[in-house]
Amino acid sequence: NAGVTQTPKFRVLKTGQSMTLLCAQDMNHEYMYWYRQDPGMGLRLIHYSVGEGTTAKGEVPDGYNVSRLKKQNFLLGLESAAPSQTSVYFCASSYSQGGEKLFFGSGTQLSVL
Amino acid sequence: GENVEQHPSTLSVQEGDSAVIKCTYSDSASNYFPWYKQELGKGPQLIIDIRSNVGEKKDQRIAVTLNKTAKHFSLHITETQPEDSAVYFCAASKGNAGKSTFGDGTTLTVKP
Repeated sequence: NAGVTQTPKFRVLKTGQSMTLLCAQDMNHEYMYWYRQDPGMGLRLIHYSVGEGTTAKGEVPDGYNVSRLKKQNFLLGLESAAPSQTSVYFCASSYSQGGEKLFFGSGTQLSVL
Repeated sequence: GENVEQHPSTLSVQEGDSAVIKCTYSDSASNYFPWYKQELGKGPQLIIDIRSNVGEKKDQRIAVTLNKTAKHFSLHITETQPEDSAVYFCAASKGNAGKSTFGDGTTLTVKP
């Protein structure tokens, strides 16, 4: 049982480049989320999805886009990367409403130079 | 929106001692309060949670208490072991589509 899988684990981008982070879960969870983690700032919600084909903005959505074409996958895109987007990105999923019992992936370390 | 404050930011204890981490929240409508443990290089993992209709919950060496009136909740770890060393996050949720608000984390170090 893989749980939540994120790819890639590490990535270095130049300012202005674009990339997509992939999150896949095999637990048949309805809800999926993208968080970013910065030193001393905890986890901040970027975007989330309450089901296939739906997305919504979180606390810090600017500069990011997401898509949920399939229930098991949640993609996070950066169209034009900026140094302020250097962070560790975590995908999570949950099986019920209310953010209960989030299951996290192992993270993607992104550096934007 | 919800605001969660977590203290202390760092905590160092001797093996066998107890550790306590405290969180306060601002939105009285929040009703679910999980605690996550994050080991180095890994994603956070749920270790214990509590709902607003319960005052205390215990699971072996860890326990969580909730004071709804004061809007604060705490994590208690007894008989700490070196493997308890990690970053601990508290969170609060109102049940609306899973939008949990996290505290800034506490780095716990247990010295052998």
